[in-house]
Amino acid sequence: GAGVSQSPRYKVAKRGQDVALRCDPISGHVSLFWYQQALGQGPEFLTYFQNEAQLDKSGLPSDRFFAERPEGSVSTLKIQRTQQEDSAVYLCASSATSGRANEQFFGPGTRLTVL
Amino acid sequence: GENVEQHPSTLSVQEGDSAVIKCTYSDSASNYFPWYKQELGKRPQLIIDIRSNVGEKKDQRIAVTLNKTAKHFSLHITETQPEDSAVYFCASPDTGGFKTIFGAGTRLFVKA
Repeated sequence: GAGVSQSPRYKVAKRGQDVALRCDPISGHVSLFWYQQALGQGPEFLTYFQNEAQLDKSGLPSDRFFAERPEGSVSTLKIQRTQQEDSAVYLCASSATSGRANEQFFGPGTRLTVL
Repeated sequence: GENVEQHPSTLSVQEGDSAVIKCTYSDSASNYFPWYKQELGKRPQLIIDIRSNVGEKKDQRIAVTLNKTAKHFSLHITETQPEDSAVYFCASPDTGGFKTIFGAGTRLFVKA
């Protein structure tokens, strides 16, 4: 069956531009996570959705980062006024049930490069 | 909040040898401990997980052990093969919220 998909796979932005990253989770999955993965590091939590509700956004690094999941399926991570330190791979993961004590299925990631 | 430390950062073994990667965590209420494998340029994928009500779980050549008293859990890979070469991440949930905290990763090289 279809796994988690993300688009675009690669994004190059000039400093100061806004970007939008899309995540299509596995159909019917309740939980959706966004992570930021810097080169050579583990995924770092950004935010968590349970259906359409954003229950934890404690990992968003600044108010330039915004995420939404309006209908409880597709999610978008938006970064405004991108900075060079935003360059990373952004991973989306979904899980069949609520909470964080379950297998997470990851998407392929979006590699963002800010020039 | 939860803190996860993973060792070693790099591990090189000969094909057929065993590999052990260890993680320590700080949140005594944590109850779920997964291990993910990430090949170069690919997405992380779960390879094994353990819940706090058991001390060991095996799946063919891989096993995970959990010591709740010492707050550490380890990944064991036996009879390593070149295709086991990848980065392995441990993780633990932060029971104060909905975060999953990942370790910094262990890059495993299996030499043929």
